[in-house]
Amino acid sequence: SAVISQKPSRDICQRGTSLTIQCQVDSQVTMMFWYRQQPGQSLTLIATANQGSEATYESGFVIDKFPISRPNLTFSTLTVSNMSPEDSSIYLCSGGTGGDEQYFGPGTRLTVT
Amino acid sequence: KQEVTQIPAALSVPEGENLVLNCSFTDSAIYNLQWFRQDPGKGLTSLLLIQSSQREQTSGRLNASLDKSSGRSTLYIAASQPGDSATYLCAVRGGSNYKLTFGKGTLLTVNP
Repeated sequence: SAVISQKPSRDICQRGTSLTIQCQVDSQVTMMFWYRQQPGQSLTLIATANQGSEATYESGFVIDKFPISRPNLTFSTLTVSNMSPEDSSIYLCSGGTGGDEQYFGPGTRLTVT
Repeated sequence: KQEVTQIPAALSVPEGENLVLNCSFTDSAIYNLQWFRQDPGKGLTSLLLIQSSQREQTSGRLNASLDKSSGRSTLYIAASQPGDSATYLCAVRGGSNYKLTFGKGTLLTVNP
């Protein structure tokens, strides 16, 4: 199994600012993903973080709003840019290897005021 | 496009009862199905993973079944306890990619 940590665990940010969330995995994983969970909703995939190359974004999510980096097999960052109250969500990082189980971090609870 | 539905949306039971949570998915071409637990304000804890070639998986008081052809999975919890209170999420991984599609979850409350 993999243990995934995220920083920060929560933050309150002002409209128009940006926040970078860090995700660290305790072992090398093939795949890393970023999800968003809006209040009362289930998880929606934002993008697949690709090592050393641009992330692959899902429909409705764009790089300018959610730039993602993945410099190695155990670390990734997600930036939420030019935030608005609609970006208030829990952001979760996950990792896995091929067809195996996918493990999730504890999430970052973001509130935009 | 894969869609995952979980029924019921919420369930309240007395302690000690056996219960079943249901998950259905529209595209049977899945690679695997995973059940998760999410406590309020927390991340996801993986409970059981069923590969597409398997029919069921067991872990302690939990048993998950998969009927791929009919697009259904169930999570059976035996002898429920108050500590089982959480939201249970079902997620399927597509056959052609590794992305998970989640249901909206079942909020389970086990009353002492």
